[in-house]
Amino acid sequence: DSGVTQTPKHLITATGQRVTLRCSPRSGDLSVYWYQQSLDQGLQFLIQYYNGEERAKGNILERFSAQQFPDLHSELNLSSLELGDSALYFCASSPRDWSSYNEQFFGPGTRLTVL
Amino acid sequence: QKEVEQDPGPLSVPEGAIVSLNCTYSNSAFQYFMWYRQYSRKGPELLMYTYSSGNKEDGRFTAQVDKSSKYISLFIRDSQPSDSATYLCATDTGRRALTFGSGTRLQVQP
Repeated sequence: DSGVTQTPKHLITATGQRVTLRCSPRSGDLSVYWYQQSLDQGLQFLIQYYNGEERAKGNILERFSAQQFPDLHSELNLSSLELGDSALYFCASSPRDWSSYNEQFFGPGTRLTVL
Repeated sequence: QKEVEQDPGPLSVPEGAIVSLNCTYSNSAFQYFMWYRQYSRKGPELLMYTYSSGNKEDGRFTAQVDKSSKYISLFIRDSQPSDSATYLCATDTGRRALTFGSGTRLQVQP
């Protein structure tokens, strides 16, 4: 158990809908990273927050947004969902801001199915 | 061309075998390389971290970087059924994020 929690574990929804995925980082970790893992694209970085501020963006669609709250938990909002958004969404945390050698601790993921 | 490429497998070996997992990367400027292990229905966990070139050993695991050929390898000695998982290589491509290979699924048969 990494200490990172994600809710819900599974989410089934319809195209066009909006969902919110939640992540609680390890105690004391200030950075939160969001990733999407799909069969065809693999594990792809979406966005990083550090202590409430957005720090880096990856291949995140405009329909997706995230934020990190003062208590350091983070939410990933996915809107106007399409079938292709079906994937595993992982949150990871680390104690400090981005650095190549800062270990990221991954949560168990949220499996999103869009029907 | 993908920045990090990895054979998806699956790779099936008998218990006790030496396993070799490999990735290639596109840019000789990449210096930080990681191996993550992902069990089914779990998040990835960091297994090994190497910087630049050379070998790094941790128990039954050895990570190797060959910068001349832009090749990174993970060797698992005396493989166990509990090593059955997907192994992901990753690197820092200079964009404040990790770039992962597609992962190799390993099955160690008892």
